Amino acid sequence: KAGVTQTPRYLIKTRGQQVTLSCSPISGHRSVSWYQQTPGQGLQFLFEYFSETQRNKGNFPGRFSGRQFSNSRSEMNVSTLELGDSALYLCASSRDRNTIYFGEGSWLTVV
Amino acid sequence: AQSVTQPDIHITVSEGASLELRCNYSYGATPYLFWYVQSPGQGLQLLLKYFSGDTLVQGIKGFEAEFKRSQSSFNLRKPSVHWSDAAEYFCAVASPGDSNYQLIWGAGTKLIIKP
Repeated sequence: KAGVTQTPRYLIKTRGQQVTLSCSPISGHRSVSWYQQTPGQGLQFLFEYFSETQRNKGNFPGRFSGRQFSNSRSEMNVSTLELGDSALYLCASSRDRNTIYFGEGSWLTVV
Repeated sequence: AQSVTQPDIHITVSEGASLELRCNYSYGATPYLFWYVQSPGQGLQLLLKYFSGDTLVQGIKGFEAEFKRSQSSFNLRKPSVHWSDAAEYFCAVASPGDSNYQLIWGAGTKLIIKP
């Protein structure tokens, strides 16, 4: 059974640009959540989607957004990138919301 | 509000020695409890979880954890570590049934294995 797949794995963007990250959940999992991981702040919850609806949201500015498609695949978007957005962005999927399984992450560097 | 404390930022253990990583949480009732492991440059892998029942939980890779309600702890143990166990370990808690269900994470403990 394939795990959570995230693309791209690595990317470099310039301040002010925008970025879109993609996540394909484990087959049969309808919940997708996103986390940001940085050395200073650790793991922080961004948002969760279920059946194409945002079900929960963390404390991030509106520049961070996401969506989920009918096949449960999800994308997150960060607009007007700042240096502080450099991080590992992790996607996780869940069948029952209680136990989440992570992908390998997308490493974003903002220069 | 829930919180998770992993008091040890780094732990160094000799290969073959036993290991215990500490995790304390703050929550009014019995939370859902998790341990994840992250190897360098990788995502997080679920080692084990506790929802209810037997307070000693067995996980993958020979790890186990014990839920102690009186101490609000969920410490991770392994009887004999291998060099491949070098990684960062994260404890997390969640509130069962919470409409805003999300995992609250500890800061992580980096495990260093001495040959």
